Amino acid sequence: AQTVTQSQPEMSVQEAETVTLSCTYDTSESDYYLFWYKQPPSRQMILVIRQEAYKQQNATENRFSVNFQKAAKSFSLKISDSQLGDAAMYFCAYRSASSRGAQKLVFGQGTRLTINP
Amino acid sequence: SQTIHQWPATLVQPVGSPLSLECTVEGTSNPNLYWYRQAAGRGLQLLFYSVGIGQISSEVPQNLSASRPQDRQFILSSKKLLLSDSGFYLCAWRDMLAGSHSPLHFGNGTRLTVT
Repeated sequence: AQTVTQSQPEMSVQEAETVTLSCTYDTSESDYYLFWYKQPPSRQMILVIRQEAYKQQNATENRFSVNFQKAAKSFSLKISDSQLGDAAMYFCAYRSASSRGAQKLVFGQGTRLTINP
Repeated sequence: SQTIHQWPATLVQPVGSPLSLECTVEGTSNPNLYWYRQAAGRGLQLLFYSVGIGQISSEVPQNLSASRPQDRQFILSSKKLLLSDSGFYLCAWRDMLAGSHSPLHFGNGTRLTVT
C-alpha cells in the first residue's frame, strides 16, 4: 500500500519569507498524482497545487510551487512571499493512476505552518 | 456551478445513540463520493468511498456504515455511537468527467463529539 510521510509536524516562517514543506511517499507504481491541500482554522480542505507524475515540469500556482523528484519519491511545497493567510495545516496526498487504486487519496499526517508577522 | 453540502456542522451525541451525517453534491453527475475522518491534530483517514448508487467500499473495520441512496447523496451512519467515534468528518467528491487528474473537493466538515 502507498504511504505518504510528512516529517515536519510544525514549521514557522517570517512574513514575506520563503518556506519549504517536505513530503515523501512510497509506491511501486510509475503513474500517479500528487496533491497539496491546505486546511486553515476553518478546517475546510482547499486544494493548493497538483502534480502529474508523468510530467517532468514542476507545477506552479502563483506563490506556490513544488519540487517533484520522482526517483527520490519526494514532493516538497515551496511557498514564496509568505502571507499571514498562508497559516494552516498543509497535507500532502497521493493518488494512484491505476483504475483500481484511482479511487483513493492517501494523505500524510500534515505540517502546521505558522506565519510570524 | 459544482458545490458540496455537508451537515450538520457540529453534533454532540451520547454514547449508544444513532448517527446520521449527510452530504450532497450539486452541479455534477455520477461523482465519486468519500467519507474521511480526521482525529485531532492528525491526518485524514479514508472511511468509505462510492463509485455509484448503492456501491460502497469500506476501508477500515469500524462502528460506522455508509450508504448512497441517490447519485449525489452520501450518508454516514451508526446504530450505536462509541466514544472513539468522536472526530471531524469530511465528505468529499471527485468529478469523474474532469479527467484522471481531477482532485477531491471537500465539504466543510462535521465536528462530532460523543459524550
